[in-house]
Formats: sequence, C-alpha cells, structure tokens
Amino acid sequence: DTGVSQDPRHKITKRGQNVTFRCDPISEHNRLYWYRQTLGQGPEFLTYFQNEAQLEKSRLLSDRFSAERPKGSFSTLEIQRTEQGDSAMYLCASSPDNYYEQYFGPGTRLTVT
Amino acid sequence: QQQVKQSPQSLIVQKGGISIINCAYENTAFDYFPWYQQFPGKGPALLIAIRPDVSEKKEGRFTISFNKSAKQFSLHIMDSQPGDSATYFCAARKGSNYKLTFGKGTLLTVNP
Repeated sequence: DTGVSQDPRHKITKRGQNVTFRCDPISEHNRLYWYRQTLGQGPEFLTYFQNEAQLEKSRLLSDRFSAERPKGSFSTLEIQRTEQGDSAMYLCASSPDNYYEQYFGPGTRLTVT
Repeated sequence: QQQVKQSPQSLIVQKGGISIINCAYENTAFDYFPWYQQFPGKGPALLIAIRPDVSEKKEGRFTISFNKSAKQFSLHIMDSQPGDSATYFCAARKGSNYKLTFGKGTLLTVNP
C-alpha cells in the first residue's frame, strides 16, 4: 500500500479553461475527502464521499466545481471556467469506516494564469 | 468565524529545545483533535491525535496536552531536531461530521 495518490502533481492553466484532478485513495478506504489549501492557510474542507455517495459539500464548492467517485474507488474533482482565485493546492484524503484518522495525499498544485 | 485558532504563527527553537504550539477551539461538540505535520510541497501527515476523554497523549517526542474546560490543546515537541522543521496544523472534528476544521498553521524552524 503506497498511500493516497493524486494526479497530476502540478497543473498550470489559463483562466477560463477546465481542469480535472484525480485521487486514488488507500485501498479499501470507503471515505474520501477533498480539501483546498491556499498559501499560508490550513486545508479547508470541500466535499466528502462515503463509497460512491457524495454526502456533504462545502459552500466553498461553487457551481463551477464538481466531484465524482463513480465506483467508490478513485475520485475526480473538476473545475470549470477556472479563475485566478482557484489557484491553490487541492488535497485528497481517505479513511476507513468507523475510523477518525484521515490520511492525505501529496496534493495537486493548481496555478491559474 | 474561525473555529480553531492556532498560535504562534511561527516559532524558532534551538536544537534540543522544546517546541510548544497552542490551539483553541470554540465548538464544544468537537470530539477529535489531530495534529498534522506538513513539509513544503507535500500533503499533511498525521502526527498524533487525542480524544477529549484524556488530558494527555504521548508518542515518542510528541505530546498532546488537552484542557477541556479551557477548550484548548497543545503540541509539545521534546528534544526538537532540525528535521522537525515544518508547518504544523492542529485540527478538530465533531462526531459524525467527518470533515476536519484546521487551524492556520505554525511554521517551526529548529536551528542546529
């Protein structure tokens, strides 16, 4: 088990373009979380999946953001019509059921120019 | 409204010294308090965590002290080493609400 993986690690895009990030959780972890971290701040919760069901979304997740976890395994986070304010580190975490600890991946650094 | 307040923002400690980072929370429904360590360009790594039914938890050089009545908890790093230089985040979670609420982080520098 190599931990939570995220792809790509870095993404540079122009304002207005769409981007998609992928997260592969630790095997058999049913819970998957997305967070966003801006420079000098702690991670902020975006959304949470229990298997394939998206159970909670933060108000930070505007209509331009969508997340999926189609088969309860990997997850994707898509940002449409990117804005400069979307520049941040997007972090994915996973945990087993009935387990408090969350394990984070290395993150995807997004830069919108 | 910042639900978890962390201090100091930055901390410089000499090798072998004790590093102390403090957090205060507002929501008494929080029932799980982890600390994460983050190196530049990496994701946060779980360091140690505590539940409010105990006042202290120790793992190696890292200790969490928890004061439920004051709604405060702190991380102590004993015998600090240059390799401990990183950003440390406290966090909190309440019951079945699985999201973590993080503090703003403390940049720790341990000088050799």
